[in-house]
Amino acid sequence: AQKVTQAQTEISVVEKEDVTLDCVYETRDTTYYLFWYKQPPSGELVFLIRRNSFDEQNEISGRYSWNFQKSTSSFNFTITASQVVDSAVYFCALSEAGTGTASKLTFGTGTRLQVTL
Amino acid sequence: NAGVTQTPKFQVLKTGQSMTLQCAQDMNHNSMYWYRQDPGMGLRLIYYSASEGTTDKGEVPNGYNVSRLNKREFSLRLESAAPSQTSVYFCASRTNRGALSYNSPLHFGNGTRLTVT
Repeated sequence: AQKVTQAQTEISVVEKEDVTLDCVYETRDTTYYLFWYKQPPSGELVFLIRRNSFDEQNEISGRYSWNFQKSTSSFNFTITASQVVDSAVYFCALSEAGTGTASKLTFGTGTRLQVTL
Repeated sequence: NAGVTQTPKFQVLKTGQSMTLQCAQDMNHNSMYWYRQDPGMGLRLIYYSASEGTTDKGEVPNGYNVSRLNKREFSLRLESAAPSQTSVYFCASRTNRGALSYNSPLHFGNGTRLTVT
């Protein structure tokens, strides 16, 4: 069965600090996708990034970067020079190829990031 | 571009009452999902539907029923509401690339906040 663990329940940083959100996953499939979502205080869920199991290249998008390591089953998310607007709950999720035409997306329990001035 | 629309936004029920949460998407997606979000539990899958006419149980299906009315609409019904069903409910959809959907991100509605007293 697939499982996603986000051990950090809550993180508080001061603006401009760098912060890394950890995500560890379990799966028996060799083909899968990993995702990160952001949930700001307004409550909507915003897709940030996906990564497939065959692509271990790190990804950078502005102040955001993602480090995917199959050897440790981790897909960590780093925010550089954090800003107050980054305050949100961040979810990591896993989608296996599965055997059907609609596979399930399994979410971690989320990490609440609080960025203060 | 409406995306995924959920109604109602808020609802208060008494124990034992029934209600249906409505969800519609206009992105021509095949797969649709219902999740519930509870503090410290992340997002848990209730039911999902690969295509019109098919539904499958997720992680926490007890106490719920679903109907995939057509390609656009996927409703969630609580036949006899219980306080344990107090939660925020999210509907989501995603496309199928070829025959499989595991590689595409979920698009979420804005959620329904349900309180059962």
